[in-house]
Amino acid sequence: NAGVMQNPRHLVRRRGQEARLRCSPMKGHSHVYWYRQLPEEGLKFMVYLQKENIIDESGMPKERFSAEFPKEGPSILRIQQVVRGDSAAYFCASSRIGIDTQYFGPGTRLTVL
Amino acid sequence: ELKVEQNPLFLSMQEGKNYTIYCNYSTTSDRLYWYRQDPGKSLESLFVLLSNGAVKQEGRLMASLDTKARLSTLHITAAVHDLSATYFCAVVSNTGNQFYFGTGTSLTVIP
Repeated sequence: NAGVMQNPRHLVRRRGQEARLRCSPMKGHSHVYWYRQLPEEGLKFMVYLQKENIIDESGMPKERFSAEFPKEGPSILRIQQVVRGDSAAYFCASSRIGIDTQYFGPGTRLTVL
Repeated sequence: ELKVEQNPLFLSMQEGKNYTIYCNYSTTSDRLYWYRQDPGKSLESLFVLLSNGAVKQEGRLMASLDTKARLSTLHITAAVHDLSATYFCAVVSNTGNQFYFGTGTSLTVIP
């Protein structure tokens, strides 16, 4: 039973480019969460999604950031016009139901040059 | 917004010693998680504590929860080098949607 999968594991972008981060939840999990971790800091909640629905996006910046979890395929976190401050590790987690333990993927480390 | 504080932030301890990491949170929550993160790696779930007075133990780690004091502890017994990692506590919001993570405790066990 594969765990949460994220790709790419490392992503380098120049300022102004777009970054697309993908997350495939564990089998049987329909709840996906995205977190951002800056160096030497804890994880900060960004967005919570179920299939085709955004449940809570209160932690996501209003501009340049968007997330989706389509009926088919992985969840996507999209960052448009990246800036250096977007450099961080982005973790996806999934759970079976909304109040269950969250299982984390390996993360995508985004570097903006 | 729910605030979660851990202390200490950094902990260096000798093998064989005992120590406790503390996790305080600001508002009511009935669920608290402890995670471990190795450098450059993802988070590994250690414990989930669901009620006041809950205590769970796995190997040299023991976690407890006092919901009235809004405090959880992670106790390390007879530390070994393999326990070196960063430990995070996370508290679930009342809506059940968000995990609020503490700042982490970076533990280094010295031989």
